Amino acid sequence: DAGVIQSPRHEVTEMGQEVTLRCKPISGHDYLFWYRQTMMRGLELLIYFNNNVPIDDSGMPEDRFSAKMPNASFSTLKIQPSEPRDSAVYFCASSLAGSSYEQYFGPGTRLTVT
Amino acid sequence: RKEVEQDPGPFNVPEGATVAFNCTYSNSASQSFFWYRQDCRKEPKLLMSVYSSGNEDGRFTAQLNRASQYISLLIRDSKLSDSATYLCVVKDGGATNKLIFGTGTLLAVQP
Repeated sequence: DAGVIQSPRHEVTEMGQEVTLRCKPISGHDYLFWYRQTMMRGLELLIYFNNNVPIDDSGMPEDRFSAKMPNASFSTLKIQPSEPRDSAVYFCASSLAGSSYEQYFGPGTRLTVT
Repeated sequence: RKEVEQDPGPFNVPEGATVAFNCTYSNSASQSFFWYRQDCRKEPKLLMSVYSSGNEDGRFTAQLNRASQYISLLIRDSKLSDSATYLCVVKDGGATNKLIFGTGTLLAVQP
């Protein structure tokens, strides 16, 4: 079975540009999580969805960040406008309710904002 | 104070050594605990859950001390392939599916 799929794997953009990251969770999983990882702050939860509904977006750093999940098989994380401090690896993960809370991570998108 | 704290390392050990990682968490309401492993430039993957009575999976032993809010991971007979970052993870207290990740401990096993 395919795991969590993320695209693009690498993104280099200039400050001020819009960036859209994409995620396809594992089929049948009803939770989807977006994380950001940096050396300084480690892995931080940005937002998570349950059955396509945003449950907790308290980790979203500011209004420049937005996330959507239009259906059970697709989610986007958008940054507009991007800033150099947004440079990080962004992971998407999914899990199944009633499981042992194991989250399955995608390979991540490495974002560099110059 | 961070919700989950770990010694960042690095821990440099020879092959065959026994190494232990420690972790403390701040929310006494937390109920579920895990160790994840992250290889360099890869995604985190679940290594093992941590149960109250302690549990073992091959060369790996995890223990939990609720009174001290302390979690440990012991690796025996370490292999070169054990080199990775080990993330201590705590499920957020309450009815959520949020996991709180420590910043990780880097292990480098030397030949």
